[in-house]
Amino acid sequence: GQNIDQPTEMTATEGAIVQINCTYQTSGFNGLFWYQQHAGEAPTFLSYNVLDGLEEKGRFSSFLSRSKGYSYLLLKELQMKDSASYLCASLETGANNLFFGTGTRLTVIP
Amino acid sequence: EAQVTQNPRYLITVTGKKLTVTCSQNMNHEYMSWYRQDPGLGLRQIYYSMNVEVTDKGDVPEGYKVSRKEKRNFPLILESPSPNQTSLYFCASSLLGGQGAYEQYFGPGTRLTVT
Repeated sequence: GQNIDQPTEMTATEGAIVQINCTYQTSGFNGLFWYQQHAGEAPTFLSYNVLDGLEEKGRFSSFLSRSKGYSYLLLKELQMKDSASYLCASLETGANNLFFGTGTRLTVIP
Repeated sequence: EAQVTQNPRYLITVTGKKLTVTCSQNMNHEYMSWYRQDPGLGLRQIYYSMNVEVTDKGDVPEGYKVSRKEKRNFPLILESPSPNQTSLYFCASSLLGGQGAYEQYFGPGTRLTVT
């Protein structure tokens, strides 16, 4: 079976750093995606990790530990527009099927 | 502009009245997928397709049908909608090949209400 856990809600201050954690248990793991979704809008791609380690992309970084079934998304220099839901999704081998967690709703406050 | 389009964006219908939600992509993607999103449950896959005439069930296929007669289109059909199919629906597409993993591009969503 597949299971992904991430916190339901988080709040952080503008300009700060926030880390959103994700743990997963899947069969046939082929990598982990992070998507951003603003309320009422479509998810948009943030990052993909398949090897252990940190991938940095501007203000956003994503980390993966395959042995621990753990990933995190790090957002630096938070801006008000970063208020959104952040979806962790595991990729199964074979097809391109994503299994999504329920998402973490991040609220950035002044 | 590369995009995934869905129609309609909003639909209110009654129980049992057949409906189709269309999905089209202009990126020549092999892979297409339908998801529904419900509060507290996240995105759940309904059906997916790895190429023309190749479709398969996702995690929640009951009550839905799909077809893939052309590469660009992947309609979602509800033969007899019921209130528990009230949800926000997303279509997505991506490349598919070899050992690579490709990001999925999502359509804008269709908010369906079945009364």
